Amino acid sequence: DAKTTQPPSMDCAEGRAANLPCNHSTISGNEYVYWYRQIHSQGPQYIIHGLKNNETNEMASLIITEDRKSSTLILPHATLRDTAVYYCIVRSLNSGGYQKVTFGIGTKLQVIP
Amino acid sequence: DAGVIQSPRHEVTEMGQEVTLRCKPISGHDYLFWYRQTMMRGLELLIYFNNNVPIDDSGMPEDRFSAKMPNASFSTLKIQPSEPRDSAVYFCASSLQRRSSYNEQFFGPGTRLTVL
Repeated sequence: DAKTTQPPSMDCAEGRAANLPCNHSTISGNEYVYWYRQIHSQGPQYIIHGLKNNETNEMASLIITEDRKSSTLILPHATLRDTAVYYCIVRSLNSGGYQKVTFGIGTKLQVIP
Repeated sequence: DAGVIQSPRHEVTEMGQEVTLRCKPISGHDYLFWYRQTMMRGLELLIYFNNNVPIDDSGMPEDRFSAKMPNASFSTLKIQPSEPRDSAVYFCASSLQRRSSYNEQFFGPGTRLTVL
């Protein structure tokens, strides 16, 4: 599995864009980058995923560098409810064909009023 | 849809006792996962099932842990005997395999286990 590196914590002012970086320098060509978040005392929640191109949905945008060695999750207008731990994950494909997901420690994002 | 359902939400037990955690996946999903989360180790995958069959249990810490999925709508994670170091939040998740390469996992609310 490709390993990911994220800063352990970040702060962001409410209403501002939150930019969460992730390094995955050993990513393989067929591996996707995807993001989950975990709000306190809840189970993780899927946010977004991508392979090569930038992606956007109602929750966030994902920017992947051209060499695919790093990516950034962007929350365009952070709110207090976005305070959570954000996990950057690289999908691995095991012999059974299923994309086994390995969660790291993630980035704890604190949105400040 | 009610989402993934786990019970109990909280469990306090004494060392040496048997603990059974339960999970009902989202109807129609064909994958089920058990995770454990602690401050020290983060979120760890313990085992996962596909169509009720265990596929990978390499994350199960030791023989005290066992998991079953007797049918598509129910799974259990059992710890016998329990130890204080088993104290953690245990999450169950389910997903539906799609033709595309990605399948989102839906997590339950978790069971907070405390072993005294």
